[in-house]
Order: sequence, then C-alpha cells, then structure tokens
Amino acid sequence: DGGITQSPKYLFRKEGQNVTLSCEQNLNHDAMYWYRQDPGQGLRLIYYSQIVNDFQKGDIAEGYSVSREKKESFPLTVTSAQKNPTAFYLCASSIKGTIQPQHFGDGTRLSIL
Amino acid sequence: SQELEQSPQSLIVQEGKNLTINCTSSKTLYGLYWYKQKYGEGLIFLMMLQKGGEEKSHEKITAKLDEKKQQSSLHITASQPSHAGIYLCGASNSGGSNYKLTFGKGTLLTVNP
Repeated sequence: DGGITQSPKYLFRKEGQNVTLSCEQNLNHDAMYWYRQDPGQGLRLIYYSQIVNDFQKGDIAEGYSVSREKKESFPLTVTSAQKNPTAFYLCASSIKGTIQPQHFGDGTRLSIL
Repeated sequence: SQELEQSPQSLIVQEGKNLTINCTSSKTLYGLYWYKQKYGEGLIFLMMLQKGGEEKSHEKITAKLDEKKQQSSLHITASQPSHAGIYLCGASNSGGSNYKLTFGKGTLLTVNP
C-alpha cells in the first residue's frame, strides 16, 4: 500500500544534540512538507520541498534543517539551535501544484531528556 | 497572512446527537480541507471544498463552503464514538494550490456512549 512512513515514533534529545527525523513516501509525490504541532495549536509549517534538491523555509524554520536528495525522502534535522524542540512532528506529501490534498504520516513525538 | 478560526475549541456530545464545527477565514478560501486526527497520530483527509456553495458528504459527515467562500462547516449526523477525535480545517494560502496550507487550531470532539 502507498503511504508515508515516519520514524521513529518517539525520539529523545539530549541538550546540545542534533537529531534527525525520517520521512519516506512511496506515493510518487513531488512535494513534501514538515509541520510542527504543539498542544492546543494548529500545524505550523517548518520546511517544504516541491522538487528534488530544492526546498523553502516555512513559517518556523529557525533551528531546523532539511535535505531532499531523493524524491521519496525528506529528512528533518532538529539542531541544538532549536531551544524548544518538544513537539509532535508531522510529515506530509502531495502532488505538486494542484488542489489535491496533502497526505500525512503518523508523526514523530520528540522530547527532551 | 491567512488565519483560520475554528469553533468550538472542544465539544462533548452524547452518542446519536448531531453536531456542527465551524471554520472561519480572514480571507477568501480557494481550497478548504477538512482532516481528522486521533491523539498522537497523523491527519486523515476527509473532504476538500473549492467552490462557493459547495457541499460534500461522506457517510454521516457533511462539509459545506459558504457562498462568500469565507466560512466552512462540518456537520456530523447521529454521532458515534468512532467520530471522536480532533477535526482540523486547512486552507490554501496560494490561490488554490496545495502548498503552504494554513491550519486552524482544531476542534476536539468527544462522543459519550
């Protein structure tokens, strides 16, 4: 079945450590997205990519980095510069440049040790 | 930038009751997406509305976009415990394209058996 796989489901970060969240899709979608969700808040866009080797900052990109070396993969690194990383992170993908909906993975919950 | 306000923030209903969730935008809605989320999981796409006055139904859930395209409602008929979860509306910021969506903060629905 086609879908989006995020791993790990739970992740713990120590002070000063960078961690990487994985997102893989087999939907053949060009566009991929990373969102952050905090309790009582909606989703906020961190980064998005509409094509391989290209990505743009979203509304809250500071302290995060991404790469898009393959169409299927869009990993997110939470760097030590992100001072409040505890949140639920969601990856999504979609067909580029249409009104078709974004499809989401099951999320990764990141906590600080 | 576009803002989406959802009401109510939370809702508790008895099984079998009808309910409505609203999503109001500060700007014209070119594409409005409804998603459902169970706690700690990803978003499941429900329906997409594009045209003023449009109405779509899936099983016991009906979504409408008003004629002025600034408000959408989600109506559940004869609610069941399986309807419980967080309902989020998302809207396109980019004149109908599906990237850079803005999301409301969500409505938490509890259905008591």
